[in-house]
Amino acid sequence: ELKVEQNPLFLSMQEGKNYTIYCNYSTTSDRLYWYRQDPGKSLESLFVLLSNGAVKQEGRLMASLDTKARLSTLHITAAVHDLSATYFCAGLYSGAGSYQLTFGKGTKLSVIP
Amino acid sequence: GAGVSQSPSNKVTEKGKDVELRCDPISGHTALYWYRQSLGQGLEFLIYFQGNSAPDKSGLPSDRFSAERTGGSVSTLTIQRTQQEDSAVYLCASSSAGFTQYFGPGTRLTVL
Repeated sequence: ELKVEQNPLFLSMQEGKNYTIYCNYSTTSDRLYWYRQDPGKSLESLFVLLSNGAVKQEGRLMASLDTKARLSTLHITAAVHDLSATYFCAGLYSGAGSYQLTFGKGTKLSVIP
Repeated sequence: GAGVSQSPSNKVTEKGKDVELRCDPISGHTALYWYRQSLGQGLEFLIYFQGNSAPDKSGLPSDRFSAERTGGSVSTLTIQRTQQEDSAVYLCASSSAGFTQYFGPGTRLTVL
């Protein structure tokens, strides 16, 4: 059974600062996803990481994957208020032809001026 | 193009009543998923449909929950004899098989 743990669960950071959210998973996962959720809204796909050493960047967000350590990170550079949201990592389990996402509990990010 | 749509957006029901939640996936996506999001349990997988294959129902929490997908497109999640612990946001997602899942806006279910 795939388990996904994120930390921290809550993150309050000042604008302009850098920070990293960590996502550990318990067993081999075919893919690792990062999603963003704004309050009262649905999940928006940010990144999909397919292989060891994969790095994806979009604006101030950069995601990476280390399959040997079973660790993905989401790095925030020079945070701005618009990045305030809850960020989820999710591992894809594919077995017996099924494709399930197992989510971490999410990191609620608040960027303060 | 149009994304995943769900209806209703909000549903308030009394304990013991049955409810149906609807999902329209992105056109051309063969895979459809239901998840549930609640404060206590986070995001949980419920059920997965892929084409005409038998669905993966391994995430359904009890036999009061069922889902069907008609014509390989629209899906309905049915909860019978609702309980207060069923209160949650029910999210539908679709994808090309095995690829990124795109989520709908969700249905917020409140069981009184």
